[in-house]
Amino acid sequence: NAGVTQTPKFQVLKTGQSMTLQCAQDMNHEYMSWYRQDPGMGLRLIHYSVGAGITDQGEVPNGYNVSRSTTEDFPLRLLSAAPSQTSVYFCASTPLAGEVGDEQFFGPGTRLTVL
Amino acid sequence: SQQGEEDPQALSIQEGENATMNCSYKTSINNLQWYRQNSGRGLVHLILIRSNEREKHSGRLRVTLDTSKKSSSLLITASQAADTASYFCATDANGSGGSNYKLTFGKGTLLTVNP
Repeated sequence: NAGVTQTPKFQVLKTGQSMTLQCAQDMNHEYMSWYRQDPGMGLRLIHYSVGAGITDQGEVPNGYNVSRSTTEDFPLRLLSAAPSQTSVYFCASTPLAGEVGDEQFFGPGTRLTVL
Repeated sequence: SQQGEEDPQALSIQEGENATMNCSYKTSINNLQWYRQNSGRGLVHLILIRSNEREKHSGRLRVTLDTSKKSSSLLITASQAADTASYFCATDANGSGGSNYKLTFGKGTLLTVNP
């Protein structure tokens, strides 16, 4: 299994541009989520999904859209990039079966710079 | 807002010494998890302790949980240079359904193990 994969690894955008960060997992996990990590801030939850067709907002959802058309993919869209969205973005997944709150599996991250 | 807060923010020790990191949180939880992040990489799950457990071991790791004080500690024994990383505690939301899987991370402890 490849686990959780993210593309691209690095991206530079100009203010106002749009782009999609890709996230895929091959472990058949129902739950997927997006976090952003800023220096000294830890990870903050942007959006999450408990299955295909179901998404919900996390702690910092403004400026981001998500969709979940398949179990495997959970793309994160920036509609109009702003310098405040410069960050490292991590995607994570976990199965919903079994006990609550099992370990989450993280992708390698996408480092985004908005000029 | 951050649920978990690690202490200290940074810790520097010599190889072979033990390292202790603490985490405090604010609301009731189902589980508490510890993750490691090497510089520039994604997070790797280390250990999960459930709210009805007081202590858990995994190799050189020992985690304790005191729900009355809303705190946890991570002890790494006989540290190695390869343990140099940031360590994060993460708590779940103690909500219902899929929201149980939402993790809130602290800001992390940067551990440096000097050879």
